[in-house]
Amino acid sequence: AQTVTQSQPEMSVQEAETVTLSCTYDTSESDYYLFWYKQPPSRQMILVIRQEAYKQQNATENRFSVNFQKAAKSFSLKISDSQLGDAAMYFCAYLRDDKIIFGKGTRLHILP
Amino acid sequence: GAVVSQHPSRVICKSGTSVKIECRSLDFQATTMFWYRQFPKQSLMLMATSNEGSKATYEQGVEKDKFLINHASLTLSTLTVTSAHPEDSSFYICSARAWTVQYTFGSGTRLTVV
Repeated sequence: AQTVTQSQPEMSVQEAETVTLSCTYDTSESDYYLFWYKQPPSRQMILVIRQEAYKQQNATENRFSVNFQKAAKSFSLKISDSQLGDAAMYFCAYLRDDKIIFGKGTRLHILP
Repeated sequence: GAVVSQHPSRVICKSGTSVKIECRSLDFQATTMFWYRQFPKQSLMLMATSNEGSKATYEQGVEKDKFLINHASLTLSTLTVTSAHPEDSSFYICSARAWTVQYTFGSGTRLTVV
């Protein structure tokens, strides 16, 4: 069974607008970590944001924030004031047994 | 801090030969290193987990005799693709973890087998 599901293969957003990428996951654990990684054309994996499940407060990193709904097992990423440099593949990931398991990714296009 | 260096970035080898990919943690000691494989336009698939000084743990479906992993020190793990064939052509990425929940990725290696 797939642990991490990203239902949006591709999304587009106008520059300076806000976009939300969806992610759901499946786990029976109560404490775990979730991540959003960005993979630009260079293919370097870049950590965007990390959320610890026991923390109620949603993680925020500058223009990037998450909406973590533990009961619903949902972990969406909001990008505010989208910039051209945000264009990339975005992977939602779950830490299980010391291993990071990735979703299939969402390709984000930024429209100038 | 937390830089992982992966070499080579690109390699082309002939079918039937072996190729080695190195993954080094430059400014921290990596207790665990991970190797992923990424096909074009797909996600990263975990191949194996390696801990310093012990045998690697391979994910289901990954041939341990084809993908040899050595983690001889706390800063170096190597992946050797033995008797490479065109279907082994892919993008290989390593990741290293220190004592904390911090996973750093290398820049990847594009392997082409001709």
